[in-house]
Amino acid sequence: EAQVTQNPRYLITVTGKKLTVTCSQNMNHEYMSWYRQDPGLGLRQIYYSMNVEVTDKGDVPEGYKVSRKEKRNFPLILESPSPNQTSLYFCASRTGLNSPLHFGNGTRLTVT
Amino acid sequence: RKEVEQDPGPFNVPEGATVAFNCTYSNSASQSFFWYRQDCRKEPKLLMSVYSSGNEDGRFTAQLNRASQYISLLIRDSKLSDSATYLCVVSRSGGYNKLIFGAGTRLAVHP
Repeated sequence: EAQVTQNPRYLITVTGKKLTVTCSQNMNHEYMSWYRQDPGLGLRQIYYSMNVEVTDKGDVPEGYKVSRKEKRNFPLILESPSPNQTSLYFCASRTGLNSPLHFGNGTRLTVT
Repeated sequence: RKEVEQDPGPFNVPEGATVAFNCTYSNSASQSFFWYRQDCRKEPKLLMSVYSSGNEDGRFTAQLNRASQYISLLIRDSKLSDSATYLCVVSRSGGYNKLIFGAGTRLAVHP
């Protein structure tokens, strides 16, 4: 089954404790991205990647890092999480520049 | 002005009703348009792409008006299962053709 898989689904952590949210897709898509969704603000792009070893900032990159060492994986790293990063996070991929996005099932992060 | 704007709703309609949502966008160079559906706390799922000539998929019809820079979604014969948030998505022109999401319009269909 074609899918984007994120882990974990739920995560509660404390301020400053480094964490990684994993994302993997099995569709051989070149383009991958991370979004956060907050009430009233919609989905905002954090980082994106156009191919292996090619990543760039989205609209809200502060406090996040990503890597793309393999085509299928695109982890999101929070080196020192803060409470304002409490949000619902989605990883997504697509096959081409005019294609729609396929989303993972989300990670709900709470930072206390 | 936001790049993509939607009426947040909620739109409360009875089963069987026809309901329409509009979405305006600010970038006249946008090339790709989509409607997504999102159920509470779940991932957005593609409902349909929007083509210049308009397109239909069962009870759903999408249209694009480039002159006025808006897209629309029409749902006919509403079902209880149509209750969800509908997200308008528009591309931002540039190397990556980034997709920009509206904040969504909430639809509640009641018996």
